Amino acid sequence: SQQGEEDPQALSIQEGENATMNCSYKTSINNLQWYRQNSGRGLVHLILIRSNEREKHSGRLRVTLDTSKKSSSLLITASRAADTASYFCATDRMGNQFYFGTGTSLTVIP
Amino acid sequence: DTAVSQTPKYLVTQMGNDKSIKCEQNLGHDTMYWYKQDSKKFLKIMFSYNNKELIINETVPNRFSPKSPDKAHLNLHINSLELGDSAVYFCASSLRGNIQYFGAGTRLSVL
Repeated sequence: SQQGEEDPQALSIQEGENATMNCSYKTSINNLQWYRQNSGRGLVHLILIRSNEREKHSGRLRVTLDTSKKSSSLLITASRAADTASYFCATDRMGNQFYFGTGTSLTVIP
Repeated sequence: DTAVSQTPKYLVTQMGNDKSIKCEQNLGHDTMYWYKQDSKKFLKIMFSYNNKELIINETVPNRFSPKSPDKAHLNLHINSLELGDSAVYFCASSLRGNIQYFGAGTRLSVL
């Protein structure tokens, strides 16, 4: 299937540490997006990286994309307790269809 | 004002019933979506719709049907509800298939 698959499924770190989560997908894409979901809430867009880009930064977030390996990583630096959430990658193929996975559940311990 | 709003937030119903979930967006977006999130947090796209095209995920049972009275609304109708339909349903919208804005979700429990 097209869906993105996040790894690890769960990650627990101390406040101030960096968190890295990965996403793999199966077919060619136009772009890849990362979203955050707080418990009981809808998803919130974090960052979009296009297929011709290799790296993108937004505040404490750094996203990389390797289209040859069909993978992406999201790095959150200097994590805070408020970063505790599930993180999803989303890939598109036909422009109007986005495929998510099961997410990485991040817990940041104060 | 909430950008993407869906109602109700919670829906508890019996097997076999028919129910609807409403979604409205005030962002002027041209595309709206429905997703189903199961208990393992897997988020599956069900439909995407703009004023030109409805794209249906082939795995979605035909008991589910989207209805769009206008560009700002995409409602989800579910007929003959089954236990396996219990999940959280999210509506989202985007402009030309880019960044999506999600509603807060509707938690459906089928008893």
